[in-house]
Amino acid sequence: EAGVAQSPRYKIIEKRQSVAFWCNPISGHATLYWYQQILGQGPKLLIQFQNNGVVDDSQLPKDRFSAERLKGVDSTLKIQPAKLEDSAVYLCASSLDRGSYNEQFFGPGTRLTVL
Amino acid sequence: AQKITQTQPGMFVQEKEAVTLDCTYDTSDPSYGLFWYKQPSSGEMIFLIYQGSYDQQNATEGRYSLNFQKARKSANLVISASQLGDSAMYFCAMRAVSGNEKLTFGTGTRLTIIP
Repeated sequence: EAGVAQSPRYKIIEKRQSVAFWCNPISGHATLYWYQQILGQGPKLLIQFQNNGVVDDSQLPKDRFSAERLKGVDSTLKIQPAKLEDSAVYLCASSLDRGSYNEQFFGPGTRLTVL
Repeated sequence: AQKITQTQPGMFVQEKEAVTLDCTYDTSDPSYGLFWYKQPSSGEMIFLIYQGSYDQQNATEGRYSLNFQKARKSANLVISASQLGDSAMYFCAMRAVSGNEKLTFGTGTRLTIIP
């Protein structure tokens, strides 16, 4: 079974530039998550999708971050414009469905450096 | 609100010894799940073990076991017979059954196995 795919793996941009990350979840997984992991910290949920609808985006900085999951499969996370404090690893995860018993499978992450 | 506390930023353990990684949590939800993830230097989060708040027995998965003490709100991970490949960051996380079921992570413990 193929795991969660993310691209790119690494990205370096200058502040005020735009960047987009892509995630392809495990086939059949209805729930998709984007996490931000700043160096030295645990991952923090940015947004959660159930199929193509948003379940939770309470910690998403909506003035600069946006995310979509068209057709309930792939997802894109965008930052526009980027700030220095956005430097982090962005992790995508998916689970079969909602519910505390559903294991979340994580992708390899995208390491973003903002200069 | 949920909170996970991991008080050990780093640990060094001799190969083949057992190691206990501490995790305490705080939540007002009566029903929740507790998770442990391993994050090697490659960056991917690897699910290790799950414990439900109403599970009567402590969870075990191979060399991993979870020492769940509900009254103390602790969920320590025990790794038996440690191996060099166990060197990684370890994150404790929890997820409530009610509400948005967001996965909340601790700050992690960096485990280094010494040959």
